[in-house]
Amino acid sequence: KAGVTQTPRYLIKTRGQQVTLSCSPISGHRSVSWYQQTPGQGLQFLFEYFSETQRNKGNFPGRFSGRQFSNSRSEMNVSTLELGDSALYLCASSHRWGDEQYFGPGTRLTVT
Amino acid sequence: QQQVKQSPQSLIVQKGGISIINCAYENTAFDYFPWYQQFPGKGPALLIAIRPDVSEKKEGRFTISFNKSAKQFSLHIMDSQPGDSATYFCAAIVSGNTPLVFGKGTRLSVIA
Repeated sequence: KAGVTQTPRYLIKTRGQQVTLSCSPISGHRSVSWYQQTPGQGLQFLFEYFSETQRNKGNFPGRFSGRQFSNSRSEMNVSTLELGDSALYLCASSHRWGDEQYFGPGTRLTVT
Repeated sequence: QQQVKQSPQSLIVQKGGISIINCAYENTAFDYFPWYQQFPGKGPALLIAIRPDVSEKKEGRFTISFNKSAKQFSLHIMDSQPGDSATYFCAAIVSGNTPLVFGKGTRLSVIA
């Protein structure tokens, strides 16, 4: 079974721009969660989607948003990028909310 | 209530030795405790997990010990190998309720 895939793997953006990251979950998984990983803050939960509905949201500003499509693929968007948004953005999928989560390789976002 | 505290921050172990990483939690509603292993440039990979109805779970060289009364759990890596050098994260979740809450991570280096 193919694992979680994320595109693009690397991204360089300028302050003020916006970015969209994509995640394809493991086949049959309907829950997708997004995390931000930085050296200082570690792994922090952004939001989770199940069957196209946002189930839970972490403590991030409204510039961070996401959505899930009917095929369970998910995207997250960050608008008005700030230097502090530079991080590894990880997507994880599971069968259902609260099940074992499997992570993708992440998208490394650098904001200059 | 949502915190998971992980120690040590970094660990150096001789090849063949035992690596021990400890985690403590506060929320007694947590009912699933996974450990993740992360290599540089990769996403976290689920290593082993335990539920609070058992005190120990072993998979190969990896063992989780769980102490419900002390609200602590630990990962033991027996016969540590250089290939085990990675960052290890403990996590906890209330199934069907909360997102994964991660410890800050332990950077393990196994030296020959």
